[in-house]
Amino acid sequence: QKEVEQDPGPLSVPEGAIVSLNCTYSNSAFQYFMWYRQYSRKGPELLMYTYSSGNKEDGRFTAQVDKSSKYISLFIRDSQPSDSATYLCAMGGSGGYQKVTFGIGTKLQVIP
Amino acid sequence: DGGITQSPKYLFRKEGQNVTLSCEQNLNHDAMYWYRQDPGQGLRLIYYSQIVNDFQKGDIAEGYSVSREKKESFPLTVTSAQKNPTAFYLCASSIDRAGTARMNTEAFFGQGTRLTVV
Repeated sequence: QKEVEQDPGPLSVPEGAIVSLNCTYSNSAFQYFMWYRQYSRKGPELLMYTYSSGNKEDGRFTAQVDKSSKYISLFIRDSQPSDSATYLCAMGGSGGYQKVTFGIGTKLQVIP
Repeated sequence: DGGITQSPKYLFRKEGQNVTLSCEQNLNHDAMYWYRQDPGQGLRLIYYSQIVNDFQKGDIAEGYSVSREKKESFPLTVTSAQKNPTAFYLCASSIDRAGTARMNTEAFFGQGTRLTVV
């Protein structure tokens, strides 16, 4: 079993839809949870960061962490064609960034 | 503008050749990282460096080498010993400092180098 599981998709939604992206994990030591957006042939950029359990909202994006279920989610409201990208979840515990584990990424396409 | 610059964007290598990928940052970050990205796999750590003149192997270091002679630069050499070098390579940096247990939660990534063996 991989430490971080993420459905690769692709996920196609119409413009304006609410998108739900998810990851599950097995390592209970993970405390920091991140979502990156990666456009085709580009480097990832950090979208959301959450520490421990709870929700965090930033504009149209909401990140949720449920440590009891070892499950994290990213919601995108009012999705736009510009949201079409691959979304990577990433998580880590204590120590430096070299301890971060990445999911394989979910490819999202928002259709106008 | 501050950021991380990787070059070249595309690189072609013949069998048996060594090639070097460049990574430069002007963010004054202490730590730098090299990842490899393949379809269907998450980012995998090749090497990382938390301070000048020091670096550590990551999960898939075999067939790769690095140097960290300057804070700003962390070049990666893909040697002929790397059996499957075709991949998308990403460099990143963070302010993480050696000797601290603090988890730095933000790393900035470069735009990547796509290496193809021909």
